[in-house]
Amino acid sequence: QSVLTQPPSVSAAPGQKVTISCSGSSSNIGNNYVSWYQQLPGTAPKLLIYDNNKRPSGIPDRFSGSKSGTSATLGITGLQTGDEADYYCGTWDSSLSSYVFGTGTKVTVL
Amino acid sequence: QVQLVQSGAEVKKPGASVKVSCKASGYTFTSYGISWVRQAPGQGLEWMGWISAYNGNTNYAQKLQGRVTMTTDTSTSTAYMELRSLRSDDTAVYYCAREEDYGDYADYWGQGTLVTVSS
Repeated sequence: QSVLTQPPSVSAAPGQKVTISCSGSSSNIGNNYVSWYQQLPGTAPKLLIYDNNKRPSGIPDRFSGSKSGTSATLGITGLQTGDEADYYCGTWDSSLSSYVFGTGTKVTVL
Repeated sequence: QVQLVQSGAEVKKPGASVKVSCKASGYTFTSYGISWVRQAPGQGLEWMGWISAYNGNTNYAQKLQGRVTMTTDTSTSTAYMELRSLRSDDTAVYYCAREEDYGDYADYWGQGTLVTVSS
């Protein structure tokens, strides 16, 4: 059971926007940077967002991240069929002395 | 370009050990650490631990303490993860990932190694 809670699934039509929430506590999100990972079916995770809101080189600006208090949010605009994947948030948990991942959210493009 | 290439799939019996390798290329191996993350079938991601390729310092997930050992060989730029006393619930895809420091973000990932534990 993860200490970071995400909605199991979100969906929208092509071209629309989705947001994925990641809820934690002061021992994790509240005091540490959040990263987001995309996992396409049958592949390894890929870094999408780091340090709450920074995009690695090559990640389109359709993907954005934000953090407020003990929650973080991933936004995807201009949704494409290629965005269908599982998305995970992650951060360090100071109480557990462990990196923790969110429960994961499946994005479906209708 | 940064690449992490992992060893092939393994089938092990309960109680056995498995050692997965992760060969790095395209960057200075000792400037980063390596994290190991596993994913049971149909489940989410689970962090197993991190090792510094610079000095070998490790940080293991508490639930795996005593069963897992992470090492590196700087001469071949390869990281290893050994898991002992395997149980059926250790069946998972095991990933290595480059991470500058423990608790940091993982910016490059290996392709994954399926470890199946079955009698």
